[in-house]
Amino acid sequence: SQQGEEDPQALSIQEGENATMNCSYKTSINNLQWYRQNSGRGLVHLILIRSNEREKHSGRLRVTLDTSKKSSSLLITASRAADTASYFCATDGGGYSTLTFGKGTMLLVSP
Amino acid sequence: EPEVTQTPSHQVTQMGQEVILRCVPISNHLYFYWYRQILGQKVEFLVSFYNNEISEKSEIFDDQFSVERPDGSNFTLKIRSTKLEDSAMYFCASSAIRQGGGMNTEAFFGQGTRLTVV
Repeated sequence: SQQGEEDPQALSIQEGENATMNCSYKTSINNLQWYRQNSGRGLVHLILIRSNEREKHSGRLRVTLDTSKKSSSLLITASRAADTASYFCATDGGGYSTLTFGKGTMLLVSP
Repeated sequence: EPEVTQTPSHQVTQMGQEVILRCVPISNHLYFYWYRQILGQKVEFLVSFYNNEISEKSEIFDDQFSVERPDGSNFTLKIRSTKLEDSAMYFCASSAIRQGGGMNTEAFFGQGTRLTVV
């Protein structure tokens, strides 16, 4: 897989359920970031996790990072219809000033 | 809360025409970026800019593209002669510290400019 590949590609759940999205990457990183994009809109920064961190929380978001497996997960607890969006992970290049994005996971939360 | 702003939100242009996409990064940020997202595809890095010069650019950022910081607040992307395949959402981003520089800082993105080349 390419740097910053998310799975699943699409996820459909009911309000109140938890949503888990995964991201895998190939090269070494300094940090990994998760972004949300509502349809046709801009990218909203959600959370950054450093390479020396294993877990981070922000409100209903929980991000984990396993550098040995080169993977991260984003958990949204008690989802709401307003969480419907595409979610992207983005990794830095471990020394380069760029972010590499995956194709994203489209999350649909039904009321 | 400070934010990155982009104008226009939507631009339609004829093939071969020049376009300038404008961005106002967050005021105390030092690093600026352009990314693009072709419909249904990944967000792709174009260029990063620091201290009034390009610090990195991707293969996409060919001679048709240029960036400029004409004053203390604006950051522009110019496409000299647009092609149909330039149609995409273009995102400007800024960060306080260089991404990937061993520092841990978020990159903040604008709402994007949807460029349609006809």
